[in-house]
Amino acid sequence: AQKVTQAQTEISVVEKEDVTLDCVYETRDTTYYLFWYKQPPSGELVFLIRRNSFDEQNEISGRYSWNFQKSTSSFNFTITASQVVDSAVYFCALGGGSGGSNYKLTFGKGTLLTVNP
Amino acid sequence: EAQVTQNPRYLITVTGKKLTVTCSQNMNHEYMSWYRQDPGLGLRQIYYSMNVEVTDKGDVPEGYKVSRKEKRNFPLILESPSPNQTSLYFCASSFLTGTGVKNIQYFGAGTRLSVL
Repeated sequence: AQKVTQAQTEISVVEKEDVTLDCVYETRDTTYYLFWYKQPPSGELVFLIRRNSFDEQNEISGRYSWNFQKSTSSFNFTITASQVVDSAVYFCALGGGSGGSNYKLTFGKGTLLTVNP
Repeated sequence: EAQVTQNPRYLITVTGKKLTVTCSQNMNHEYMSWYRQDPGLGLRQIYYSMNVEVTDKGDVPEGYKVSRKEKRNFPLILESPSPNQTSLYFCASSFLTGTGVKNIQYFGAGTRLSVL
């Protein structure tokens, strides 16, 4: 069975601080896909990034960066110089690939990030 | 405009009164899915569909039904709603490429359901 663990339920930081959101996953699939989604206070779900299990390169997009480590089954998300607009719930998700969970998409419980001015 | 449309956005109902939440997408996506979001539990998949007439259970299917008669529509049916189905529901869709859920999910705006 697939599982995604976001151990941090809530994080509160002051603007301009760097913050890392942790995501640990479990799967028996050899091929799989990892995602991050953002849910701002307005409630919609916004895609941030996708990574497949063959691509362990870290990625940077502006103030956002992602660290994928297959050896530790982690896909962590860092926001550099956080801003108030980053306040949201962030979800990590795991998409099945070649194995028995092919078409399921499993989300973590989410991390509520509050960035205070 | 590419979108996933859910209706209604808000619904208050009573226990046992059948209801349907509609979901429609205009992107010709094969994959559609329903999730419920509850405080402290995150998003949990209810049902998903890989194409017309092909559906399967997610992690929390009890008390729900779905159908996929047309590619664009994927309604969620609660035959006899109960208070524990009070939740925020999201529909999502994506392309299917090969096997597995590998593509970006496009989410609807959500339906907030209260069952009294």
